[in-house]
Amino acid sequence: GAGVSQSPSNKVTEKGKDVELRCDPISGHTALYWYRQSLGQGLEFLIYFQGNSAPDKSGLPSDRFSAERTGGSVSTLTIQRTQQEDSAVYLCASSFGSTANTGELFFGEGSRLTVL
Amino acid sequence: GENVEQHPSTLSVQEGDSAVIKCTYSDSASNYFPWYKQELGKGPQLIIDIRSNVGEKKDQRIAVTLNKTAKHFSLHITETQPEDSAVYFCAASDGNNRLAFGKGNQVVVIP
Repeated sequence: GAGVSQSPSNKVTEKGKDVELRCDPISGHTALYWYRQSLGQGLEFLIYFQGNSAPDKSGLPSDRFSAERTGGSVSTLTIQRTQQEDSAVYLCASSFGSTANTGELFFGEGSRLTVL
Repeated sequence: GENVEQHPSTLSVQEGDSAVIKCTYSDSASNYFPWYKQELGKGPQLIIDIRSNVGEKKDQRIAVTLNKTAKHFSLHITETQPEDSAVYFCAASDGNNRLAFGKGNQVVVIP
């Protein structure tokens, strides 16, 4: 079945480089979320997209992080000038619902980022 | 914002026994409480959820109870099986765009 697809599954980069992580949500899902999962930590909210509305960027940890969602479908999370503390698994999720209350979040398998 | 805490961080149980994971939350406005299961190398998957207008919900071997006065909710797994071994995350939401997740519980079912 067509679940949430993320790429790359693994990315190793050098400190200071930029990286792009891609998320392809389930077709028809209007809501898209990015979360970060660090070792021993929970799921940290980063950003939320809903249809054509302005995204909720309140979880982005610094201005080195940005995300866009083109045509209401595919999303790209960009991390500029990566730091070692950016090393984590970046999870994307999509949902039918317009808020976390009204729809199950379907997660991808994540993109594991390692910054050397 | 909402703060969700889970206890214990790791739980080992004998196959066939029950497992209970407890979560507390801070925001009394929260009204939706899902539980997600994450197997190794996979994304989290919803296993059960509860809304604030009920105190308990069951689905086969799993159940969730909610105590809004004390601001805590618990996941109960009965007759545990090896395939129940995973990391379990609780979360809480007040209807805004985000779910606040706990740090997760590693459940190990010993055959």
